[in-house]
Amino acid sequence: GAVVSQHPSRVICKSGTSVKIECRSLDFQATTMFWYRQFPKQSLMLMATSNEGSKATYEQGVEKDKFLINHASLTLSTLTVTSAHPEDSSFYICSARVPGLGGEQYFGPGTRLTVT
Amino acid sequence: AQSVSQHNHHVILSEAASLELGCNYSYGGTVNLFWYVQYPGQHLQLLLKYFSGDPLVKGIKGFEAEFIKSKFSFNLRKPSVQWSDTAEYFCAVRVNTDKLIFGTGTRLQVFP
Repeated sequence: GAVVSQHPSRVICKSGTSVKIECRSLDFQATTMFWYRQFPKQSLMLMATSNEGSKATYEQGVEKDKFLINHASLTLSTLTVTSAHPEDSSFYICSARVPGLGGEQYFGPGTRLTVT
Repeated sequence: AQSVSQHNHHVILSEAASLELGCNYSYGGTVNLFWYVQYPGQHLQLLLKYFSGDPLVKGIKGFEAEFIKSKFSFNLRKPSVQWSDTAEYFCAVRVNTDKLIFGTGTRLQVFP
């Protein structure tokens, strides 16, 4: 089956610094990847849709200047949390869509971000 | 706006009990429906999906779900749960675009 990896799995950073999270589709090419945020005991909230070679589409209320998304290749999308604050602490999950009509999304294992 | 609601937030069952988790969505058009499972410490995995055709869909690990259009529902069922089914279950809907809208999830605990 399709495999999506994320790196790092866990990161702790200080307020004001930036953190980059990578999402890779390991055995398929993904023209579309998605970034979600999951708060404790809550559902996944879609942050943005990342399309290879074009700008990401952000959901309402998500600051595009704070959460920078780059989808430079068909197997890699990155999310950079800029000037992180403690309220950005969360579980960030990416998914990659298998190309084709009705393509499924395969999810990465997530990245736990803690901002101190 | 589209939304997905899961009525059961936390379900506790004994092994061999039957399971039904509710999922309702609000959207009047064509939808694709999904159930995902998240085992402790693991990533989301697809259990089953409905795009069209037979409204009763069968997924992995003995799970099935029934799409009832008139009730805007897509409930997940399993006739006999196992301890290994302990996990978080998410219902999701996809409308028009690639975007998945998730429900709040149901935590299932199965005791031996």
